[in-house]
Amino acid sequence: DTAVSQTPKYLVTQMGNDKSIKCEQNLGHDTMYWYKQDSKKFLKIMFSYNNKELIINETVPNRFSPKSPDKAHLNLHINSLELGDSAVYFCASSQDLGNGDYTFGSGTRLTVV
Amino acid sequence: EDQVTQSPEALRLQEGESSSLNCSYTVSGLRGLFWYRQDPGKGPEFLFTLYSAGEEKEKERLKATLTKKESFLHITAPKPEDSATYLCAVKNSGYSTLTFGKGTMLLVSP
Repeated sequence: DTAVSQTPKYLVTQMGNDKSIKCEQNLGHDTMYWYKQDSKKFLKIMFSYNNKELIINETVPNRFSPKSPDKAHLNLHINSLELGDSAVYFCASSQDLGNGDYTFGSGTRLTVV
Repeated sequence: EDQVTQSPEALRLQEGESSSLNCSYTVSGLRGLFWYRQDPGKGPEFLFTLYSAGEEKEKERLKATLTKKESFLHITAPKPEDSATYLCAVKNSGYSTLTFGKGTMLLVSP
């Protein structure tokens, strides 16, 4: 059983489209995150949620909207996709906000053409 | 703002050739320094947490150490399966998320 699962693994889409990435964790963790890894492999935090509540929203365009229907799920919706959105997006979870031992999903490679 | 700098960016070793990776950090109140391993096409995998200067953690051929300004990941007699990108991250005193460095890509040749 995969601890943190993301779908889809690959996503190729045209500029201007809207797309969603889904994430689910079966670890019973309270906190979930979205990270973006750019072409230089730099991992940067986008959002964090704790028990379905948005805690951290870094400087991310408002075209990106996270949603957490329950503490096991954190989805990411992206409107009006741009070329610069091409990256690998990782979902992660941790037991609670104070914990730095994250479990990451295997990533979603988004390519905008 | 928390900062993490890793060096070198890439490191090539022969099997059995020991070496160290460096992670220097600036953080307002360190709440933990974390090492992760990332294989190509996969998400980072947690290795170690270090909380205070002088602390050391070991796992197989890896040993992580911490001072007040930097951390080292020592790799003893590496094997090809140790090839990966090693990421360092810090957490500050608040309920913050991890701030990652850019990683060191390690390649161990047989």
